[in-house]
Amino acid sequence: ETGVTQTPRHLVMGMTNKKSLKCEQHLGHNAMYWYKQSAKKPLELMFVYSLEERVENNSVPSRFSPECPNSSHLFLHLHTLQPEDSALYLCASSQVVGSSYEQYFGPGTRLTVT
Amino acid sequence: AQSVTQLDSQVPVFEEAPVELRCNYSSSVSVYLFWYVQYPNQGLQLLLKYLSGSTLVKGINGFEAEFNKSQTSFHLRKPSVHISDTAEYFCAVSEGGNKLVFGAGTILRVKS
Repeated sequence: ETGVTQTPRHLVMGMTNKKSLKCEQHLGHNAMYWYKQSAKKPLELMFVYSLEERVENNSVPSRFSPECPNSSHLFLHLHTLQPEDSALYLCASSQVVGSSYEQYFGPGTRLTVT
Repeated sequence: AQSVTQLDSQVPVFEEAPVELRCNYSSSVSVYLFWYVQYPNQGLQLLLKYLSGSTLVKGINGFEAEFNKSQTSFHLRKPSVHISDTAEYFCAVSEGGNKLVFGAGTILRVKS
């Protein structure tokens, strides 16, 4: 595998389910990100992990819970979601310090909450 | 605080015609600028970036962009588009570090 991978690519869940999204980066980066992309809205940064510590949490509801066990893996745990949480969830990674700051994105997980 | 404005939500253009997608930003410090492309059902792919130096930046797929500090713009251009260029394009700005701020996106529709 190369770049940034995300699983699953599609997920349908009910409002009472618990599920997790997984992201893995194979680029040797030390920062990882979760974004939410909804139709007709700008890309929304949810969480940032730099050197495995959460450095940003943009007022995201507690029904979204991130986990970064090491610099290559990032999870987004989901529980009791709402229909308005249906969106494309994108993971990205970058190299912090001594780099050009661009982020590399995975293909996304298309989440539908029913 | 940084912000990015993409002036056109959709740009229709005929195949082999030139195209310009406009991007303006606001920031109080020096910035790094990026254009990303998103094809249907895919993530964002880096098209090109401006960090410093020459204000004309060349990217993949024949795209280029020009950084204009006085006008705080970073417009994306291609002299001749193909059907395969149909996608959504995002301009982004960074002041360094972890944070990238994205514009709302411009959908480029190439017609035959």
